[in-house]
Amino acid sequence: EAEVAQSPRYKITEKSQAVAFWCDPISGHATLYWYRQILGQGPELLVQFQDESVVDDSQLPKDRFSAERLKGVDSTLKIQPAELGDSAMYLCASSMGGTSGADGIQETQYFGPGTRLLVL
Amino acid sequence: EDKVVQSPLSLVVHEGDTVTLNCSYEVTNFRSLLWYKQEKKAPTFLFMLTSSGIEKKSGRLSSILDKKELFSILNITATQTGDSAIYLCAGGAFGSARQLTFGSGTQLTVLP
Repeated sequence: EAEVAQSPRYKITEKSQAVAFWCDPISGHATLYWYRQILGQGPELLVQFQDESVVDDSQLPKDRFSAERLKGVDSTLKIQPAELGDSAMYLCASSMGGTSGADGIQETQYFGPGTRLLVL
Repeated sequence: EDKVVQSPLSLVVHEGDTVTLNCSYEVTNFRSLLWYKQEKKAPTFLFMLTSSGIEKKSGRLSSILDKKELFSILNITATQTGDSAIYLCAGGAFGSARQLTFGSGTQLTVLP
């Protein structure tokens, strides 16, 4: 069964350091999402890609966070410099996301295993 | 701003009990309501509901949507310890972004 891959699974870093997370969506899925989930809360969307283009990054703290999906397949999320408050689970999800923009069907998002970040 | 609220925040039951988890939503251009189960890892998909009053079932789990009252419930009958997890609901809206707004989840603990 196809899955969303993420790495690393766990990351411990000191504040002010740079960290990067990688996500490989399900093959053929055009839409890719990065979420942040703080303990005890639901996932919050950070950035959404449609192929290689950013659809929504309104919740991404752009002073320290960046995301790219250069070839429209896998994606990298970077934090520089990391702060204590960035400790959270970072989830990647993908959905089929056709390019026509038709909304007849809500698509299921499939999540990867997540990267748990601890900033010391 | 779109909002999804789940209740209760946490629930402890014994095996064999039946539980009902609640989800209310305020989502502009609402399209569908999704339920996910999250154990110690990423959320896994359970149900997608788009029409009012039509129950979806999968084994001991079932869910229904009320688009007039803007809520959904997830029922689990004959609970087992393996049902212990966080149950998340999310609202999806019409629009090219296909985004989901998640609630904070209900932590269900099933004791033997």
